[in-house]
Amino acid sequence: DGGITQSPKYLFRKEGQNVTLSCEQNLNHDAMYWYRQDPGQGLRLIYYSQIVNDFQKGDIAEGYSVSREKKESFPLTVTSAQKNPTAFYLCASSIWGVETQYFGPGTRLLVL
Amino acid sequence: AQTVTQSQPEMSVQEAETVTLSCTYDTSESDYYLFWYKQPPSRQMILVIRQEAYKQQNATENRFSVNFQKAAKSFSLKISDSQLGDAAMYFCAYNVIYGGATNKLIFGTGTLLAVQP
Repeated sequence: DGGITQSPKYLFRKEGQNVTLSCEQNLNHDAMYWYRQDPGQGLRLIYYSQIVNDFQKGDIAEGYSVSREKKESFPLTVTSAQKNPTAFYLCASSIWGVETQYFGPGTRLLVL
Repeated sequence: AQTVTQSQPEMSVQEAETVTLSCTYDTSESDYYLFWYKQPPSRQMILVIRQEAYKQQNATENRFSVNFQKAAKSFSLKISDSQLGDAAMYFCAYNVIYGGATNKLIFGTGTLLAVQP
């Protein structure tokens, strides 16, 4: 079955630690996105990538980093510079030039 | 600024009844797309319905339909014959061309729909 997978489902971060969230898709989509969701708010764009080896900052990129070495994969690293990382993180993908985005199941990040 | 407003934080409907969720947006663009996504307790975002701004005909997907009023910048979702499985957070979203290329979704803050048996 085609789809988007995210792992882990829950992730705990210690103070000063970098953590990486995984996002994989087998839909053959060109574009991939990372969103952050906080309580009482909609989703906000962190980073997006249109093609392999290229990515762009979204609205709230500070404290985050990404890579896009393979079309299927778009991992997100939450660095120690992100002072308020507790949130629900959603990965999405789309066919390039087509407006509909499809989402993975999400990762809940908590700070210890 | 491009914004999406959902003025109803919570709504409730009886099973088998009809409910309408409101959404307004602000844009200076003439061509764009509008979406309704559903987020059940599992928290996965599920596409419910989409509308292309250049189409006057309202989109319909089974029990879900929209009332798209372009001049008023309004995009409401109607759920007919509500079912217990419809209980979820519903997000309205608008698509913009970001950085001259890819599509960025602007989300509202959501409406939490409860379905009473």
